This record gives sequence, C-alpha cells and structure tokens, in this order.
Amino acid sequence: DQQVKQNSPSLSVQEGRISILNCDYTNSMFDYFLWYKKYPAEGPTFLISISSIKDKNEDGRFTVFLNKSAKHLSLHIVPSQPGDSAVYFCAASEGNQFYFGTGTSLTVIP
Amino acid sequence: NAGVTQTPKFQVLKTGQSMTLQCAQDMNHEYMSWYRQDPGMGLRLIHYSVGAGITDQGEVPNGYNVSRSTTEDFPLRLLSAAPSQTSVYFCASSTTSSGANVLTFGAGSRLTVL
Repeated sequence: DQQVKQNSPSLSVQEGRISILNCDYTNSMFDYFLWYKKYPAEGPTFLISISSIKDKNEDGRFTVFLNKSAKHLSLHIVPSQPGDSAVYFCAASEGNQFYFGTGTSLTVIP
Repeated sequence: NAGVTQTPKFQVLKTGQSMTLQCAQDMNHEYMSWYRQDPGMGLRLIHYSVGAGITDQGEVPNGYNVSRSTTEDFPLRLLSAAPSQTSVYFCASSTTSSGANVLTFGAGSRLTVL
C-alpha cells in the first residue's frame, strides 16, 4: 500500500507561469517531507524539505506547502523555467525510512 | 568531491546468475541505502544501514543481500537474479542528525535480467 502518492503523472506549464505539483500521504507519523528532482540518466537531487511542524518553506523560486489535516503537500515553482523540466518526486521520512511517490514529469514550454 | 559512486552503470544478467552492485561514498555519511525504481512504482527502499555493521530491511528486501563492513561502502548482492529484478537501482547516503535527513543519490545502475 503506497504511503506517498503523486496522482498526476505529468504536467505542462508555460515558461514564466507557476508550476504546482501535488502529493498526498497516509501516514501521520512522517516527520519530514522532501522534494527531489530527477533528470534522465541521473540520480534524484534534493530540492527542498519541510518539517511536519511547519506549514510552509521557501527557497528562492521553490515553495513547499504542508496541509497536515488534509495530509497533502504541494511544491510551487515560480516563475517556471525550461531548465525545471524534469521528474519531481515527493518523499516522506519516518526515522530512517523514506517513502517516495511515483513522480510527476514536469515540462516547461518556452 | 565524488559524492556517491555506483558501479556498474549497466548490467545484463541471465536468470539465476549472481552479481554485486557496488556503492561507495566519500562524505563520511553514516546512513546508506538502496532503492529500486520501476515504472509507475516510484522509488522503493530495499535495504538500509545506519552505520558499519548495522543493516536493516526496507519495503522490498526479498532477493537482495547487503552488508556494511566500512562507512564508505554498501554493496547490494543479488544471489540468484530473477526477471522481476530488472530495474534501475539507486544507492543513497545521508547524515543522521536532527533535522531532515537529505539523501544524496548516485547516478544509478540499470540491471536487466533475461
């Protein structure tokens, strides 16, 4: 049973507009949530994280929002750039165990 | 700074053959782990280690064996490969401390079992 879900396999956005990637989870014991970005033939790279006790974390163009009551988090990218085109994985951690979603492929159209 | 190094990048095996995927990190990270990535399944944890001499199972450990004799190395062994083990394998490491444990991934090893 998948504990972290990304229900949108793909997303296309115009350059300069906002990209919103969504993630849902089922385990209320997760202590951190993270977003990773993956280019083809490379390993995932860390983008941004948020503690379960926070509801927002911002780093430059990237903002992650956490809604614990809905067990939902989202990643906002503003403004979107063509170089942001990649697969984005949502992840959640409980101690030393990490659980990943299935990924959302983002395409930013110039 | 090499980070996490995985070898080989590509491997083709026949059913029943054995092999070892190598993983080495030069960041003195205590935590190391192996994931497999399959279409529609995301990344799934196979085994992990919180330090030399300590290993534990993840979500999908069956068919895989690990050991951790040094801080730097965490090999993943397939004792008798099966077609269901065709996948892309990622090794990742992180420091264990307060705050988020951020995983640093290797570039991946693509394994095909015929």
